[in-house]
Amino acid sequence: AQSVAQPEDQVNVAEGNPLTVKCTYSVSGNPYLFWYVQYPNRGLQFLLKYITGDNLVKGSYGFEAEFNKSQTSFHLKKPSALVSDSALYFCAVNNFNKFYFGSGTKLNVKP
Amino acid sequence: NAGVTQTPKFQVLKTGQSMTLQCAQDMNHEYMSWYRQDPGMGLRLIHYSVGAGITDQGEVPNGYNVSRSTTEDFPLRLLSAAPSQTSVYFCASSYSGGEETQYFGPGTRLLVL
Repeated sequence: AQSVAQPEDQVNVAEGNPLTVKCTYSVSGNPYLFWYVQYPNRGLQFLLKYITGDNLVKGSYGFEAEFNKSQTSFHLKKPSALVSDSALYFCAVNNFNKFYFGSGTKLNVKP
Repeated sequence: NAGVTQTPKFQVLKTGQSMTLQCAQDMNHEYMSWYRQDPGMGLRLIHYSVGAGITDQGEVPNGYNVSRSTTEDFPLRLLSAAPSQTSVYFCASSYSGGEETQYFGPGTRLLVL
């Protein structure tokens, strides 16, 4: 069965500190990997994706993610968090045209 | 570009009623999909379409029907609503499936009593 795991329901970080939101996946083949962000009462917005090539992917708003094939992980990172980064973050994989999402991680950035 | 639009924004149904959630996009995207979002479960794929006339089931298709007669529209039908279908529904589209970025609509909040 295909699955995406986000082991932390919530991540708390102080403004200016680095942040990491974790994601691991279990799918067959070589999936495409995505991160999306959701602000309250809004749809999801694309942050970044890994298709192939360099394992470190840079995306919107200063976010980046590191693909690790051996650990089947795709952790989201940012060197310096902002209060405005507070939102719900989803990891997703696309495998043969079907998307599978993690359960989401709520990021709280405190001033 | 309006992007991906969904109507209605909010709907209350009684058990057994039917309704159609509308989704439209003006980006000439071939791939469209429907998800439901439930607390603690993330988004789960209901149905998807890789082009007009082609649809397929996702992870949780039971209780939902779809059709794709045009590139622009991808309605989701609930034939006989159940309380378990209370959820927030999102439509999304992309140029194709696979590696392409999906664009999401604002969502429809559905309450089934």
